[in-house]
Amino acid sequence: NAGVMQNPRHLVRRRGQEARLRCSPMKGHSHVYWYRQLPEEGLKFMVYLQKENIIDESGMPKERFSAEFPKEGPSILRIQQVVRGDSAAYFCASSLKPGSYEQYFGPGTRLTVT
Amino acid sequence: DAKTTQPNSMESNEEEPVHLPCNHSTISGTDYIHWYRQLPSQGPEYVIHGLTSNVNNRMASLAIAEDRKSSTLILHRATLRDAAVYYCILRDVNFGNEKLTFGTGTRLTIIP
Repeated sequence: NAGVMQNPRHLVRRRGQEARLRCSPMKGHSHVYWYRQLPEEGLKFMVYLQKENIIDESGMPKERFSAEFPKEGPSILRIQQVVRGDSAAYFCASSLKPGSYEQYFGPGTRLTVT
Repeated sequence: DAKTTQPNSMESNEEEPVHLPCNHSTISGTDYIHWYRQLPSQGPEYVIHGLTSNVNNRMASLAIAEDRKSSTLILHRATLRDAAVYYCILRDVNFGNEKLTFGTGTRLTIIP
């Protein structure tokens, strides 16, 4: 049973470009979470989605960031007009149901903005 | 979520037990205690969780104080692969609080 998959693993973007990060949850999981880890900092929650719905986006920056989890296909975290401060590791996690004790994390996407 | 306090770093010798402490003096009655760890260049990994009683699984044991204001993660026989940052997290599942709030954790170094 494949774990949480994220691609790309590494992404380089110039300032002003768009970044699209993909997350395929574990099979059967319909709850997805995105976290960001800035260099030398801890992990911060960004957004929690169920299929086709955003449940909690309290950690999302107000501008340039959006997330979706369509009925078919992976969850997408989209960052428009990237800036150097967006350089970070972005982790996706999934769980089987709400309130699950375990969230299963992917390997992360390391975004570098030049 | 209630706050947790952990030492910034700890060292342990390989093949010896490791006790990682966590203080959570403001824990509420419905807060579960979770532990995750993050190995270098990897995503976090669930380790163990508990509410009141001590818990054991294949990875570790969790000892919870009687007043629940502190807990200890126990790795019974540390290996080099256990070198990671360990996070103690409180999570009130009853209120549907899905997000994990990570602190700074404890960086565990294993000495060969």
